[in-house]
Amino acid sequence: AQKVTQAQTEISVVEKEDVTLDCVYETRDTTYYLFWYKQPPSGELVFLIRRNSFDEQNEISGRYSWNFQKSTSSFNFTITASQVVDSAVYFCALSEMGGSGNTGKLIFGQGTTLQVKP
Amino acid sequence: KAGVTQTPRYLIKTRGQQVTLSCSPISGHRSVSWYQQTPGQGLQFLFEYFSETQRNKGNFPGRFSGRQFSNSRSEMNVSTLELGDSALYLCASSLAPLAGRSGGEETQYFGPGTRLLVL
Repeated sequence: AQKVTQAQTEISVVEKEDVTLDCVYETRDTTYYLFWYKQPPSGELVFLIRRNSFDEQNEISGRYSWNFQKSTSSFNFTITASQVVDSAVYFCALSEMGGSGNTGKLIFGQGTTLQVKP
Repeated sequence: KAGVTQTPRYLIKTRGQQVTLSCSPISGHRSVSWYQQTPGQGLQFLFEYFSETQRNKGNFPGRFSGRQFSNSRSEMNVSTLELGDSALYLCASSLAPLAGRSGGEETQYFGPGTRLLVL
């Protein structure tokens, strides 16, 4: 069955520290997408990145970087030099494309609450 | 471009009542999905609509229903409200359905949500 696990419920760091948010997924499909979303206190989910299962290249966007490893079914997210504005709940999500009957929806992890203290 | 808009933003209802939530997608987006977020269950998929057709439905009782109009706007309805329906209801829109394999057009962008409290 498909599943996304974010084992870290809460992380607290001091500004300028680097922090990695872990995401492990389970799927029987060979074709799928992985996503990261940020949810600030306002509630809106903000799209950060989408990665498809055939593209294992790591990606960097400013202070954000993502490490996708199919061998360990992980899609981890690192924030370098964290800032107070990074404080939010971060969700990892999976979307299956392979006709398993579970297509057409995002399956979310439970989220990781990141608190960045000044 | 304006983002996804949802109305109302906050709602208080009592058990047994029904409620209708509205979602206007990003201009040009034809796919709309709904999710329920609660502290206990997290984010759970409700339904996905594309071109006025429901393409997928999550594991929710029949009290939860939805529809999509020709202008891609969507509504969801919950009848006979229960205390457990208190949640943040999030709407997401995309150019293409999630299973469409359109190379990015299926990325879902979320609205601010409607916070429903059932008393």
